[in-house]
Amino acid sequence: ETGVTQTPRHLVMGMTNKKSLKCEQHLGHNAMYWYKQSAKKPLELMFVYSLEERVENNSVPSRFSPECPNSSHLFLHLHTLQPEDSALYLCASSQTPAGVNDGYTFGSGTRLTVV
Amino acid sequence: AQSVSQHNHHVILSEAASLELGCNYSYGGTVNLFWYVQYPGQHLQLLLKYFSGDPLVKGIKGFEAEFIKSKFSFNLRKPSVQWSDTAEYFCAVNGAGAQKLVFGQGTRLTINP
Repeated sequence: ETGVTQTPRHLVMGMTNKKSLKCEQHLGHNAMYWYKQSAKKPLELMFVYSLEERVENNSVPSRFSPECPNSSHLFLHLHTLQPEDSALYLCASSQTPAGVNDGYTFGSGTRLTVV
Repeated sequence: AQSVSQHNHHVILSEAASLELGCNYSYGGTVNLFWYVQYPGQHLQLLLKYFSGDPLVKGIKGFEAEFIKSKFSFNLRKPSVQWSDTAEYFCAVNGAGAQKLVFGQGTRLTINP
């Protein structure tokens, strides 16, 4: 384990479902991130939270809705997704925003399949 | 805007061969540079990082990378690869003051025994 825990590991959902991805870190980090990893594409930054405040929303469709209730937890709420949203969703955390001097610690990801 | 380019999409080598994976970035100011590795079925792990000082940085498992500012490059090297180095490798850059890491598309490395 890396210190960043993501649940569930796998998720299959229909296009009309609503589900949530959860990320938890107990590293004392102040920043958390959601990335999308699709085959043959760069990791796409979705959202950045610093000290529980969203500091970046990288043109992500509104069917993805993040929530950061405290510095240890980050959620990604999903609704009315499309098949092209199927991907590995990665959560990461860092001591400081952008991981200056320490980089990011990544979770193992949630493999999402939209049917 | 920052961008990172990894020109090698899939590299296949035999054990004991030398490795060099290319990484070029686009950003005009001060940068922090990283290489991450993702072994099959595992999470992304930090291999090495450059912030300042000696442009040749050494990381875990015998990897090293050289920052060449004039070429906007941060290539990853290993003199003798092992089968266990089979993984996907990602270069990432963070411009000073930016609150995010930008990743390249990754290079899949396959080492044949």
